Amino acid sequence: SQELEQSPQSLIVQEGKNLTINCTSSKTLYGLYWYKQKYGEGLIFLMMLQKGGEEKSHEKITAKLDEKKQQSSLHITASQPSHAGTYLCGADRNDYKLSFGAGTTVTVRA
Amino acid sequence: NAGVMQNPRHLVRRRGQEARLRCSPMKGHSHVYWYRQLPEEGLKFMVYLQKENIIDESGMPKERFSAEFPKEGPSILRIQQVVRGDSAAYFCASSLDNSIQPQHFGDGTRLSIL
Repeated sequence: SQELEQSPQSLIVQEGKNLTINCTSSKTLYGLYWYKQKYGEGLIFLMMLQKGGEEKSHEKITAKLDEKKQQSSLHITASQPSHAGTYLCGADRNDYKLSFGAGTTVTVRA
Repeated sequence: NAGVMQNPRHLVRRRGQEARLRCSPMKGHSHVYWYRQLPEEGLKFMVYLQKENIIDESGMPKERFSAEFPKEGPSILRIQQVVRGDSAAYFCASSLDNSIQPQHFGDGTRLSIL
């Protein structure tokens, strides 16, 4: 079973609409990372969350980590075609090796 | 661009040959991680290295796979006697240290076995 569960597996959103991706762990996390991957390319680091209740924003992307440090959400406001790709959450359990969710593939329709 | 550099981007090998994948970490980073992404599967940790030391290779298959990060030069992931099941994207990441610092990834090497 996946250590991290991401939902939804995929989503299609109209350009300009908001979207939310969730990442859930059964165990408390030391840190939570969000990456974006375009097909056939590498992972682009988006954000890192470590503290319970922490929230970070960069441009139109906001990520939150819940107080228990077991669930994170990634929210994109007013989506654009450049937001298309696969979003991966990665768990750091204080042992330096990241374990990843299966990813959420986002399609933005013009 | 001082990002993580991987080469080659694409590598084709026949069954039984050797594959060598190279990774140069970001400038100033001394911690290197290798991950494998199999078709239709998630990204899985393989090995963690520091200069001249393998710290954790728990995710690496026991046979045919080896990794090194010499004092000089890039980190190398070596796969001997490749089989079809080795076809995957192999990603290298580096970090400044192994505390809560983000791992920055390269563009990967796509390995195809004929």
